[in-house]
Amino acid sequence: AQSVTQLGSHVSVSEGALVLLRCNYSSSVPPYLFWYVQYPNQGLQLLLKYTTGATLVKGINGFEAEFKKSETSFHLTKPSAHMSDAAEYFCAVSDQRYSSASKIIFGSGTRLSIRP
Amino acid sequence: EADIYQTPRYLVIGTGKKITLECSQTMGHDKMYWYQQDPGMELHLIHYSYGVNSTEKGDLSSESTVSRIRTEHFPLTLESARPSHTSQYLCASRQTGGQGGEAFFGQGTRLTVV
Repeated sequence: AQSVTQLGSHVSVSEGALVLLRCNYSSSVPPYLFWYVQYPNQGLQLLLKYTTGATLVKGINGFEAEFKKSETSFHLTKPSAHMSDAAEYFCAVSDQRYSSASKIIFGSGTRLSIRP
Repeated sequence: EADIYQTPRYLVIGTGKKITLECSQTMGHDKMYWYQQDPGMELHLIHYSYGVNSTEKGDLSSESTVSRIRTEHFPLTLESARPSHTSQYLCASRQTGGQGGEAFFGQGTRLTVV
């Protein structure tokens, strides 16, 4: 079974400050890991994903995340927050089975607010 | 760029009406999903499909039904809408064995039942 835990339902940072959104996962098989962003009244948009290989993954809009197997974590970071980063962020996990049973599991989300 | 479309984007409808939310994708993905999401809240999986003529109920019980007669089309139907059905409905698709296996989402349908 797989699960995702996002620590902190709401994170607030100042414009220009470091953004850190935490995600821990549980998976009995090698995982695929994802971060999605959702703006108000929109669907989810993929920010970045980890499949295999390099553990530091770069995504769109200056975001990156590092897969740490020993810590079962996949935290999302951005060095300098911008007002346009204010949104809801979802971490997700899927297993790497190439089967119809493969599912994608979403965390409960973290709302990011940016203070001027 | 994702090619998955939901219509309508917004719908206000009276109690007791039958409604169908449309979802279509042009990527040939085998898996499709419906999620229900209240504003600022987590996603709840209500239906999914592994392919044509395959439909399953998700983790959250829902009075809605779905069908998958064609690969690209996964409509959701409410036979008799109630105010408790007011929510945002998100459709998604993904491909088994695809590189990375990410899900692609539509823009969502915001349903209000009055």
